[in-house]
Amino acid sequence: KAGVTQTPRYLIKTRGQQVTLSCSPISGHRSVSWYQQTPGQGLQFLFEYFSETQRNKGNFPGRFSGRQFSNSRSEMNVSTLELGDSALYLCASSPPTGTGELFFGEGSRLTVL
Amino acid sequence: DAKTTQPTSMDCAEGRAANLPCNHSTISGNEYVYWYRQIHSQGPQYIIHGLKNNETNEMASLIITEDRKSSTLILPHATLRDTAVYYCIVRAANYGGSQGNLIFGKGTKLSVKP
Repeated sequence: KAGVTQTPRYLIKTRGQQVTLSCSPISGHRSVSWYQQTPGQGLQFLFEYFSETQRNKGNFPGRFSGRQFSNSRSEMNVSTLELGDSALYLCASSPPTGTGELFFGEGSRLTVL
Repeated sequence: DAKTTQPTSMDCAEGRAANLPCNHSTISGNEYVYWYRQIHSQGPQYIIHGLKNNETNEMASLIITEDRKSSTLILPHATLRDTAVYYCIVRAANYGGSQGNLIFGKGTKLSVKP
């Protein structure tokens, strides 16, 4: 079974630009979560989607947004990029068993110059 | 804030068992203990989870004390590829309808040495 796929793996943007990251969950998984990882703050929860609805949101500014499509694929968008947005962005999907384990992708590493 | 306490770092000799402790003294009755690890620059990897009984899978064993206030992750025969940061997390499996919101602490950096 294919794992969680994130694209692109690496990207470089400049301040003020916007970026869209994509995540394809494991087949059959309907819950998708996004995390930001930085050296200073560690892994922080951004938001979670289930059946195209945002179910939970972390403490991030409104510049960070996401959506989920009917096929469970998800995208997150960061607008008006700041230097501090440089991070590894991780997507995870959860199985329908409801037992709470997450399966993470390899991440998209964003560098903002 | 994370509800667990883990040592910052540990060393283990290759081929020996690695025993990673975790304290979670405020764990609630419906909260599970989850373990993940993150090898450098990769996404976290789910290892194992349990409620109150000891659990074992192909990767590791999880030993939870009877009072559930602490647990130990055991890698029976550590290899160099097990060098990673190991995170212990406690939360309800279905937390208010949400499964995806995990609070990661700083974890334990395990270094397996030849």
